[in-house]
Amino acid sequence: EDKVVQSPLSLVVHEGDTVTLNCSYEVTNFRSLLWYKQEKKAPTFLFMLTSSGIEKKSGRLSSILDKKELFSILNITATQTGDSAVYLCAVDALLRGGADGLTFGKGTHLIIQP
Amino acid sequence: GAVVSQHPSWVICKSGTSVKIECRSLDFQATTMFWYRQFPKQSLMLMATSNEGSKATYEQGVEKDKFLINHASLTLSTLTVTSAHPEDSSFYICSAWTGTAGTFGSGTRLTVV
Repeated sequence: EDKVVQSPLSLVVHEGDTVTLNCSYEVTNFRSLLWYKQEKKAPTFLFMLTSSGIEKKSGRLSSILDKKELFSILNITATQTGDSAVYLCAVDALLRGGADGLTFGKGTHLIIQP
Repeated sequence: GAVVSQHPSWVICKSGTSVKIECRSLDFQATTMFWYRQFPKQSLMLMATSNEGSKATYEQGVEKDKFLINHASLTLSTLTVTSAHPEDSSFYICSAWTGTAGTFGSGTRLTVV
């Protein structure tokens, strides 16, 4: 059975700190790994990673994938209170029969204190 | 803990037929469940919020007569796509609210032919 494990489950830091969120996975027929930020009801897409070792960046956020060790990290530098959210990792894989599907981790609840 | 089971994983149906997707919280009670549809470029669109024992709250632009949601118990919500058409082909995923966070099901790939 496909599995996606995120750590830590929750994290409280002060504004300005740098945080690293982890996502490890065990899936067959891996296609891509996705990171989302969930503040309200609908997760906002952040990154899609398909290749190992290539860092994706968007402002203060960056992410990288290691397909050999089966994990990804999401870094946030110079954190701000607006970064407080649940960060979700999901893996897109081919299911049996050829359909693709997303398997989500349980998320990391990040709280940034002023 | 906090496991959500979604069924079926994959369904192919003929145009004009209806399809029911189930979302179950296996080890907790969820008074609120969310239904999403995945669009290109990996965005997830919230379709509706399902509340146990009451009518679902639909997001703007989502046809409530086409996407019927029933949340009859604290552990089960269903989404029925009525009179499905090829443009309804998509990945549908549910999330059950534990009280502090949402736990996602494994999703359903719907293909309408």
